Amino acid sequence: EIVLTQSPGTLSLSPGERATLSCRANQTVASNTLAWYQQKPGQAPRLLIYDVFNRATGISDRFSGSGSGTDFTLTITRLETEDLAVYHCQQYGTSPWTFGQGTKVEIK
Amino acid sequence: QEQLVQSGAEVKRPGASVKVSCRASGYTFKNYDINWVRQAAGQGLEWMGWMNPNTGNTGYAPKFQDRVSMTRDTSTGTAYMELSSLRSEDTAIYYCARPAKTSGWYIYYFDPWGQGTLVTVSS
Repeated sequence: EIVLTQSPGTLSLSPGERATLSCRANQTVASNTLAWYQQKPGQAPRLLIYDVFNRATGISDRFSGSGSGTDFTLTITRLETEDLAVYHCQQYGTSPWTFGQGTKVEIK
Repeated sequence: QEQLVQSGAEVKRPGASVKVSCRASGYTFKNYDINWVRQAAGQGLEWMGWMNPNTGNTGYAPKFQDRVSMTRDTSTGTAYMELSSLRSEDTAIYYCARPAKTSGWYIYYFDPWGQGTLVTVSS
């Protein structure tokens, strides 16, 4: 199965800063089949990005995805306190679908 | 709006089984597969498998193949996930989630998700 490794484990930034989250696969992710989710404390995951760079309905343009092959990035610009969450990447090109272990974004 | 509503928390003994429900609303239940994903405390998300509400067909991740069963009741629009031979490592929040669909083909990113059901396995 495809193993996704997210880094860093925790990111601590101030409001207004830019967050850059990495998701690396141990083999090529087929046809850009990579998604990102936001999981706020005590809540279920929420879809942010699919197909590497497409924002889900209602998602702010402060969130953007990029990458290809084995290296993918989620960028959050102009950080807000409400962005406090764990962010998960997921590949859905090769079964079984797999997730990274998550990156926690803390707001200073 | 389209949503998935799950049953409440469960506490089970090792070796027992648990059955979690997921009721769909706001869309036609038979039109989309239901998937199950779990999350142990402090861990990442783990995909368990899918169930087609129209046919009852299922597909399970190899890790759960021998212990999981996914079923449905089309009269109530409810999907079920039953996990047997529970052990402490199965303590987790279990989520149901719906995959995307385009031109009749499934694309396995998930939206929406149920609110989650905590299953605790303890003696």
